[in-house]
Amino acid sequence: DVKVTQSSRYLVKRTGEKVFLECVQDMDHENMFWYRQDPGLGLRLIYFSYDVKMKEKGDIPEGYSVSREKKERFSLILESASTNQTSMYLCASSPREASGYLTDTQYFGPGTRLTVL
Amino acid sequence: RKEVEQDPGPFNVPEGATVAFNCTYSNSASQSFFWYRQDCRKEPKLLMSVYSSGNEDGRFTAQLNRASQYISLLIRDSKLSDSATYLCVARGSQGNLIFGKGTKLSVKP
Repeated sequence: DVKVTQSSRYLVKRTGEKVFLECVQDMDHENMFWYRQDPGLGLRLIYFSYDVKMKEKGDIPEGYSVSREKKERFSLILESASTNQTSMYLCASSPREASGYLTDTQYFGPGTRLTVL
Repeated sequence: RKEVEQDPGPFNVPEGATVAFNCTYSNSASQSFFWYRQDCRKEPKLLMSVYSSGNEDGRFTAQLNRASQYISLLIRDSKLSDSATYLCVARGSQGNLIFGKGTKLSVKP
């Protein structure tokens, strides 16, 4: 059974703090993703990674960076947290098809609800 | 125009009802489509893929109309446990998934 875990379910930080959100998957998946989900805006892709040390910008990368030093771990970093980054952050992973193409199913972690004061 | 658009609802239906959700997508090059389900305060989970020929999984039927760039999900004999938000998803040009904002379904006894 695929398991994606996120370091915290709830997090409260202050404006200007550096914030690390950690995501770990145990299924040896190549692809990992970070989304944020806000009421009325749905799921929006921040960054994704096809492989170790690789990263691609999603739709809303501004204010965020990521790190993928190990295959199982994908970290989202808020260099200087701001109140508009208060959101639910969801990590996901998916395997790569033999063809190299991304597969259909993304497995999501339980989410981290971040509040920036 | 948003890449994937769907009616946010809520759809309030009685148990046993048949309910249909629709979704439109803007990128005619999209090749793959899906429906995900998200329960309140939970993560999204894949419900079913949507194939050109249409596909069925128990009480759930998904249809794709490429000419109209339109996807649908039909739920027959609704159960209380079907209450959730249903996310329409298309594969984007970079291979990533693009999620609609979701349609909320509430099934009442």
